[in-house]
Amino acid sequence: QVQLVESGGGVVQPGRSLTLSCAASGFTFSDYGMHWVRQAPGMGLEWVALIWNDGTTTYYADSVKGRFTLSRDDSKNTVYLQMNSLWDEDTAIYYCAREVVPPAGIEYKWLDPWGQGTLVTVSS
Amino acid sequence: DIQMTQSPSSLSASVGDRVTFTCRTSQSVYGFLNWYQQKPGKAPKLLIYAASRLQSGVPSRFSGGGSETDFTLTISSLQSEDSGTYYCQQTYNTFYHTFGQGTKLEIK
Repeated sequence: QVQLVESGGGVVQPGRSLTLSCAASGFTFSDYGMHWVRQAPGMGLEWVALIWNDGTTTYYADSVKGRFTLSRDDSKNTVYLQMNSLWDEDTAIYYCAREVVPPAGIEYKWLDPWGQGTLVTVSS
Repeated sequence: DIQMTQSPSSLSASVGDRVTFTCRTSQSVYGFLNWYQQKPGKAPKLLIYAASRLQSGVPSRFSGGGSETDFTLTISSLQSEDSGTYYCQQTYNTFYHTFGQGTKLEIK
């Protein structure tokens, strides 16, 4: 079945770096754009970043632009989120999600499925 | 950026009630509006996409409506398993997808 599994979370000191991975299975990975969404403790969802299916284009939320880099390796069915200069405010559960676009008609987009999430804690 | 405002922020209702959540966007997103349900400790789950289309496997008591800047998610007959937090998301802005702040639903 279609599945996304995040890994790489943990405790990191402020100013340090961390790389998250999201391994996909059960679908043709190279056909889909991939997103990261985060959720700080007790808070709502915050969209973080998107990479197109061909890997040529990435978009980032203003809160992470210049610090986070999204990439993908289609040979490994994996997307990576490189996070640099981490702040306390980056503490959150990080979810990856597949972007679905209908094969015909208006290019509506939605996220399905989502991974189970990986917790990043920025703390000294 | 497109701002999203959900109301109410929380809601308490009884089994069998009809419940409606609202999501308002700061500019028109046409039909590029999705709804997700999140239960504590779990990842969000897609309920409605393209404003009104029911995701496969989602009970038919869930329905979405609206257009332009005003959207609704309705549960026609509330069940105990429907507790959780509900989020809207716009995907009209290709460069920056945004979520609403969520509506927390409690079952009395």
